[in-house]
Amino acid sequence: QKEVEQNSGPLSVPEGAIASLNCTYSDRVSQSFFWYRQYSGKSPELIMSIYSNGDKEDGRFTAQLNKASQYVSLLIRDSQPSDSATYLCAVIADRGSTLGRLYFGRGTQLTVWP
Amino acid sequence: NAGVTQTPKFRILKIGQSMTLQCTQDMNHNYMYWYRQDPGMGLKLIYYSVGAGITDKGEVPNGYNVSRSTTEDFPLRLELAAPSQTSVYFCASTFGQNYGYTFGSGTRLTVV
Repeated sequence: QKEVEQNSGPLSVPEGAIASLNCTYSDRVSQSFFWYRQYSGKSPELIMSIYSNGDKEDGRFTAQLNKASQYVSLLIRDSQPSDSATYLCAVIADRGSTLGRLYFGRGTQLTVWP
Repeated sequence: NAGVTQTPKFRILKIGQSMTLQCTQDMNHNYMYWYRQDPGMGLKLIYYSVGAGITDKGEVPNGYNVSRSTTEDFPLRLELAAPSQTSVYFCASTFGQNYGYTFGSGTRLTVV
């Protein structure tokens, strides 16, 4: 059973601040990592993917991956009220009978207040 | 481009009834998945398919069945509905495992 753990929320930050969302995973051979955003009552939406150690930036979003520490994070700069949502970390199983399956964490609820 | 379409959006079932949740994608994706999401919990994989005619169980398959006769369609069948199956169900598809998933809008199911 793959374990994907996210920092417990909810997380509340003021508008304009940096929101930091963290995720750890148990499978050392996982190679593909994703962050999904889910607004209340809506379906998950892919916002970032990362496959190599280091940082990947896309607009106000930066994903950080450290495979040695089995840690992936998402930073949201200049947070906006429209960023208020639940953020789901997801990890691909890269071996064995679960090859290709995507495992999700429980999500971290982010609230950005004006 | 419709993406992944799920029907119905909402449904109330009585205990013991059966129903089929429909999922259709128009992106020619080989990989399709069914997840359920309970409040405060992550998404749990029910069944998945890597192509027409090929299906396999996920983490929580009990009480469900699937079929994949075409690339486009991946229906989920609930037999003998139980209150434990009250959840939001999401269908998803992808071109390949490194491309991320496209999700449908979900079906909110209540079993009473």
